[in-house]
Amino acid sequence: GESVGLHLPTLSVQEGDNSIINCAYSNSASDYFIWYKQESGKGPQFIIDIRSNMDKRQGQRVTVLLNKTVKHLSLQIAATQPGDSAVYFCAVETSYDKVIFGPGTSLSVIP
Amino acid sequence: SAVISQKPSRDICQRGTSLTIQCQVDSQVTMMFWYRQQPGQSLTLIATANQGSEATYESGFVIDKFPISRPNLTFSTLTVSNMSPEDSSIYLCSVVWLLGLAGEGGTDTQYFGPGTRLTVL
Repeated sequence: GESVGLHLPTLSVQEGDNSIINCAYSNSASDYFIWYKQESGKGPQFIIDIRSNMDKRQGQRVTVLLNKTVKHLSLQIAATQPGDSAVYFCAVETSYDKVIFGPGTSLSVIP
Repeated sequence: SAVISQKPSRDICQRGTSLTIQCQVDSQVTMMFWYRQQPGQSLTLIATANQGSEATYESGFVIDKFPISRPNLTFSTLTVSNMSPEDSSIYLCSVVWLLGLAGEGGTDTQYFGPGTRLTVL
């Protein structure tokens, strides 16, 4: 089956710096990847997604990179702001209706 | 944008009792799911709520403990039965919007409700 992991459970960055959050997955057949942001007391919020036919996708201040060769994806947040403080989950879709979540990285932004 | 609501938002319950959590959406969805998030942990899928038929449970979750209903396209309930302190968690519903029209992702992207924080004493 699929397993999803992250390299760092916590990350602290200075306000204005760029943040990089990493994620690894195990199943090379996985074809859809999603990043969620969860603020304290709230449900996970969709940030950005990417399909396996792409290796990079950009949103507003966020970029997701997918390296299928090593089964790794990352979320880059540009000019990190205090409002970016949250737990970030990568999620991997293994079939149409099954999504496996990674353990999460807690991002703290230092003012 | 489309709204996913859950009731109650939080509750404190006594051991041995049951709690029913409601999930209501304001746009059509194709899929509805229930997740559990234990304190400080990631999300674990409990089951897929199927309209008009029995839910599909993941390994480790059973219908007697977590009965689920989905009477129509926009509403589902999860009951946590015969609760123990180990059931203290956040329970989240998620949906896949019909044709992906109500979100920024794809046609199979899941979107989450605000969660129900359950504490069992």
